[in-house]
Amino acid sequence: DQQVKQNSPSLSVQEGRISILNCDYTNSMFDYFLWYKKYPAEGPTFLISISSIKDKNEDGRFTVFLNKSAKHLSLHIVPSQPGDSAVYFCAASGETSGSRLTFGEGTQLTVNP
Amino acid sequence: DVKVTQSSRYLVKRTGEKVFLECVQDMDHENMFWYRQDPGLGLRLIYFSYDVKMKEKGDIPEGYSVSREKKERFSLILESASTNQTSMYLCASRILRGGDIGAFFGQGTRLTVV
Repeated sequence: DQQVKQNSPSLSVQEGRISILNCDYTNSMFDYFLWYKKYPAEGPTFLISISSIKDKNEDGRFTVFLNKSAKHLSLHIVPSQPGDSAVYFCAASGETSGSRLTFGEGTQLTVNP
Repeated sequence: DVKVTQSSRYLVKRTGEKVFLECVQDMDHENMFWYRQDPGLGLRLIYFSYDVKMKEKGDIPEGYSVSREKKERFSLILESASTNQTSMYLCASRILRGGDIGAFFGQGTRLTVV
């Protein structure tokens, strides 16, 4: 039972353009959503998060949007840079799951110069 | 600066060996986790612990056990390694109710079982 899904295994964009990574979830008890970035041979690093009481959170070039009714969130990166090339994981947690994070499958983003 | 340290970056073990993966965090976090990462499957939770000597099974605990004798240390044990346990193993820690504060990860251990 995959509670968090990232349906696009890969995404390729040109430098300077917008990157949009998508994530869907099924568990309505999730109340926090997080994005992580992972380079090869390194651990994931926390990027940005959003609470279920908000519909948008922005941090520099990164913005996360949450649509609770659709159980969908997205990460926008504007403008995209070659250094953004990495695997991006969506994660969720909720009151009933305690502190554990449930992750999606990941999306490989490639930003071409 | 926050730090989660895994004892090895790369390990090669033989089928049937008992394998220990160690993880130490210096943030005084209550919660610690072990995940494995496989292509196309994302990060899957093996075990987690919310306090010393406490442990909970994650989504894929079969073939693994854990030990948490001290707050800062969480060990993953492969009782009898098998080739399907070849993977990237990631340790993480998080404060009790992290909210929008995500978990912090170690650098990962690439385990190959031959």
